[in-house]
Order: sequence, then C-alpha cells, then structure tokens
Amino acid sequence: GAGVSQSPSNKVTEKGKDVELRCDPISGHTALYWYRQSLGQGLEFLIYFQGNSAPDKSGLPSDRFSAERTGGSVSTLTIQRTQQEDSAVYLCASSLRTASYNEQFFGPGTRLTVL
Amino acid sequence: AQSVSQHNHHVILSEAASLELGCNYSYGGTVNLFWYVQYPGQHLQLLLKYFSGDPLVKGIKGFEAEFIKSKFSFNLRKPSVQWSDTAEYFCAVSSNNAGNMLTFGGGTRLMVKP
Repeated sequence: GAGVSQSPSNKVTEKGKDVELRCDPISGHTALYWYRQSLGQGLEFLIYFQGNSAPDKSGLPSDRFSAERTGGSVSTLTIQRTQQEDSAVYLCASSLRTASYNEQFFGPGTRLTVL
Repeated sequence: AQSVSQHNHHVILSEAASLELGCNYSYGGTVNLFWYVQYPGQHLQLLLKYFSGDPLVKGIKGFEAEFIKSKFSFNLRKPSVQWSDTAEYFCAVSSNNAGNMLTFGGGTRLMVKP
C-alpha cells in the first residue's frame, strides 16, 4: 500500500520568506509526527498529533514554526520568516495508534534550503 | 528527559565481518527501543524494536539487538555484513511517560567494503 508521502521533495527559499511543507500519512494512521534532520542537530522531534487531541508542540524550536492537521489526515508544517539555520530535511512519520511502542513509518522528507 | 547515545559515528567493515553498534539511553522509566536504518537515498525504515518480553529481538535482514536493562543498552548486531548493509543506523527510544515521540541517537554511518 501507499506509504507516507511528503511534498515538495526539495524547497529552496530566501531568508525571511514563509514556507509550507505537506505530509500525507498512511491512511488510517491516527498519529502523525514531524521531525527534522540536520547536520548539526541530528534527528529531532518537532511536533506530534494524536487523533483529535491537542498536539504536542514541545519540540518546536521557535514560534516561527507551526503545524496543523486537517480532518485527522493531511498535515502542514509552516515556517515563517525562514532563517538559514532552518535548513534541514523535514521528516513526517505516522503510526497506526499513539502508543509509544508502535512503529512509526517515515516519509521521504522535504529538503529545505534557506539562502 | 530521555537521551540516546551512539558511540560509533563511522564504522568501516569488510564484507563478512561481524557488526556491533552501540546504543545507550538514559531514562528512568519504561522505554521502548528501536533501530532504524536509512539506506543511501532512501527514507528511514524500521530494523527492529523492543517493548517487552525476550530482550533479544530479531529484525529484518539478519539483524538482532539485545536489551540489557542494567546497562541501559540496546546494541545492534549482525554476524556477517554485506555490501548492501552500507547505510546510516539510528537507535531511538520512546516512552508513554515522556510523550510518544522518538528520541534519536546521533546515528552511525556504516560502510561495508566489497
């Protein structure tokens, strides 16, 4: 079946611009996670959504970062006024349920480059 | 807060050599442990996981890992590596008591020479 998909695969933007990154989770998966992978920081958690509950935003690095999940499916990660340190690969993952032992399935990521 | 350490950042092996990648975590509660692999140009995929039961878990492609609670370790092993095992390997931990997100180690880049 279809896996997690993300778009765009690559995004180049200028410092100060806003960007939106999209994630389509596996159908039926109730939990959705955003991570980012950068050279300096490795893989780090950003935010996760669990069903209809309020999202856990504890990993967002600043208030320039926000995310929403509409209809319990597609999610959009928005970065406002991008900075060069935002350059990274942004990964989305989904899991069937929200229990912490459930496998998270990862998408291919969006490579963001801020010039 | 939970954290994960992978001590080997880069490992180079010849085919048929044995592999052991170290992973240690710090968290006082009940944890779930994972090894993910990222092959060149591909996305992260699960190799194996432990959440209860037999501390020796077997995963795909001949990999296994042993959870040693007293040492807070979850080392990954393979008795004989192949060139196709060239990839980056990530150890990760999660816990119901610390949010369901994964906390990753820094990763280990494995290169297997043919």
